Amino acid sequence: QKEVEQNSGPLSVPEGAIASLNCTYSDRGSQSFFWYRQYSGKSPELIMSIYSNGDKEDGRFTAQLNKASQYVSLLIRDSQPSDSATYLCAVRNTGTASKLTFGTGTRLQVTL
Amino acid sequence: DADVTQTPRNRITKTGKRIMLECSQTKGHDRMYWYRQDPGLGLRLIYYSFDVKDINKGEISDGYSVSRQAQAKFSLSLESAIPNQTALYFCATSGPGGKGGTDTQYFGPGTRLTVL
Repeated sequence: QKEVEQNSGPLSVPEGAIASLNCTYSDRGSQSFFWYRQYSGKSPELIMSIYSNGDKEDGRFTAQLNKASQYVSLLIRDSQPSDSATYLCAVRNTGTASKLTFGTGTRLQVTL
Repeated sequence: DADVTQTPRNRITKTGKRIMLECSQTKGHDRMYWYRQDPGLGLRLIYYSFDVKDINKGEISDGYSVSRQAQAKFSLSLESAIPNQTALYFCATSGPGGKGGTDTQYFGPGTRLTVL
């Protein structure tokens, strides 16, 4: 059983719309949650981290965490073509100091 | 200059050859990681090191070895390369001081390795 699950997509949204990316995880004791963006052939870059239940906003990005449902999401408002990339969800599991488990990523396509 | 660098960026080699991928960082982080990425399989951890004297196997360490020569340097070796080790390899570091907290990992640019 995968520890971090993401829909592989592609998720297609029109420019200016809200993109909603979802991630579920299996370790109920997980402490830290991250969203990375990865352009094709490039390295992952951090977008957001979230540690507590609720929402965390940074510019056009909002991360949402629900530990009871073991669910973390990323909302991208006013989606731009430059947001087209693969988004990786990562989780630090219980007792694995700084070791992250990554989902396989969701590919987002923002269409004109 | 980039905080995490990897050399070489691209490498083509033949089955059975020994190859070393190198990673250097200027972030001052103690923790370093090696991942491989394959289409549809995501990032998989090969080895990780929490300091110079601490080396740990990840989920797919068979066929690989590592060396932590200094706090800033972490090398990955393929002793006898095989075609199914063809992949994109990333080095990452983590530690205090970043916007995402201590657990946040920062990635190098990657090495594209092809084993013929």
